[in-house]
Amino acid sequence: SQQGEEDPQALSIQEGENATMNCSYKTSINNLQWYRQNSGRGLVHLILIRSNEREKHSGRLRVTLDTSKKSSSLLITASRAADTASYFCATGQYSSASKIIFGSGTRLSIRP
Amino acid sequence: DGGITQSPKYLFRKEGQNVTLSCEQNLNHDAMYWYRQDPGQGLRLIYYSQIVNDFQKGDIAEGYSVSREKKESFPLTVTSAQKNPTAFYLCASQRQRGGPTTDTQYFGPGTRLTVL
Repeated sequence: SQQGEEDPQALSIQEGENATMNCSYKTSINNLQWYRQNSGRGLVHLILIRSNEREKHSGRLRVTLDTSKKSSSLLITASRAADTASYFCATGQYSSASKIIFGSGTRLSIRP
Repeated sequence: DGGITQSPKYLFRKEGQNVTLSCEQNLNHDAMYWYRQDPGQGLRLIYYSQIVNDFQKGDIAEGYSVSREKKESFPLTVTSAQKNPTAFYLCASQRQRGGPTTDTQYFGPGTRLTVL
C-alpha cells in the first residue's frame, strides 16, 4: 500500500492564484519530500522537510509538516502556466533506511 | 534530469522477449534506483543498489533483473516472466549518505516500454 496519499488528485486553478496540495501518510517518517513531474518526464526534487521541522520555504513554495496528524502540505503561490505538472510527496521511513515511498500524485493545471 | 541518462526513450517488446533498459549517471553517486510508473499512479520501487556489485529487491522485483558492475551504470532487464510490463520506467541516483531517507534523488528522463 502507498505510504503517501495526495489530495486532491487533480486541481485546476487560474494563473496567479495559489495552489495547495496535501499529503497524508501512515507510519513514522525520517523526512518528507515533494517532487514535480512534467508530463512524460522524470521527477524533479522540489523540497525536503525533516521530521523535526514544521515549515520550509523555497522561492514560491511553502511546505508544512504536521507529524501529529501525519500530514504535509505544499503551497505554490502566484501560480504560473509553467507550474502545470504532477506533484508527488515521498516519505522516508524509520523502518527502511534505503527506500522512499511515493504517493499517487496531484495533477495541477494552471489556466491562463 | 541532472546527469542521468536513460535509453531508449521508447521501447517496444514482443511477448516472450527480454529487453534491457539503460541507465547511466555521471554524478558520482553511489546509490541507484529503478522505479515503475503506471498511468495516473505514483512510483513503485523495482530494484536498488547502494554500492557496486550489490543490489536489493524493491517492492515489485518479480520479472525484473539488474546488475551493477560499474558505479555509473545500472541496467534493468525486463524478462518474459514480467506479465504486464507496459509502463514508464524511471531510474534515479542518490549520493549515499545513509540512504534515500536523508537525501535527494535525481531522476533520468524515463523509458516508456510498450508490449506489442
